[in-house]
Amino acid sequence: DGGITQSPKYLFRKEGQNVTLSCEQNLNHDAMYWYRQDPGQGLRLIYYSQIVNDFQKGDIAEGYSVSREKKESFPLTVTSAQKNPTAFYLCASSRSVGGSGRADYSGANVLTFGAGSRLTVL
Amino acid sequence: DQQVKQNSPSLSVQEGRISILNCDYTNSMFDYFLWYKKYPAEGPTFLISISSIKDKNEDGRFTVFLNKSAKHLSLHIVPSQPGDSAVYFCAATDRGSTLGRLYFGRGTQLTVWP
Repeated sequence: DGGITQSPKYLFRKEGQNVTLSCEQNLNHDAMYWYRQDPGQGLRLIYYSQIVNDFQKGDIAEGYSVSREKKESFPLTVTSAQKNPTAFYLCASSRSVGGSGRADYSGANVLTFGAGSRLTVL
Repeated sequence: DQQVKQNSPSLSVQEGRISILNCDYTNSMFDYFLWYKKYPAEGPTFLISISSIKDKNEDGRFTVFLNKSAKHLSLHIVPSQPGDSAVYFCAATDRGSTLGRLYFGRGTQLTVWP
């Protein structure tokens, strides 16, 4: 079955430590995204990548870093520079329009989410 | 600045009645709108969408209405069931944009009680 796998599901971190959240997809999607969910804040975009070896900052990129070395993988590193890292993190992917790199959300090609990773800073 | 707004953080409805969730947007370039449903500790799942060339789209108990002049859309659930209790996110995108991304509202917590 195709889907998005996020790991770990739960992660605890001490202040000052960097942590990396894994996201793997086998949907053959070109575009991948990281969102953060906080109570009352909805889904806020951290980073997104439309093609391998390229990514763009979203609305709240400070304190985070990403890489996109493979089409299937888009890991997110939460660095010690992130002031308030405790949150629920969601990875997502979508198909692109004819290889253009532009995400195609129409019809069946909607944004597909993983199950999420909850990060708690102790 | 929030381009997609869901001004009601919560809604409580009795089972069997209609649930109406509202969403407003500010960007006139948005031409495709989606609703996602999210249970606690899970990822959101796609529910229903509508293109700006339509004003209504139906899928079973779920209907989305779009009023472009008012920049407003709404999700109707009829009849509401206890299993519909979840957070509902409205999202929008400009499909002509080079970058292409979804903008989400803050969500509305729907509670359907027996």
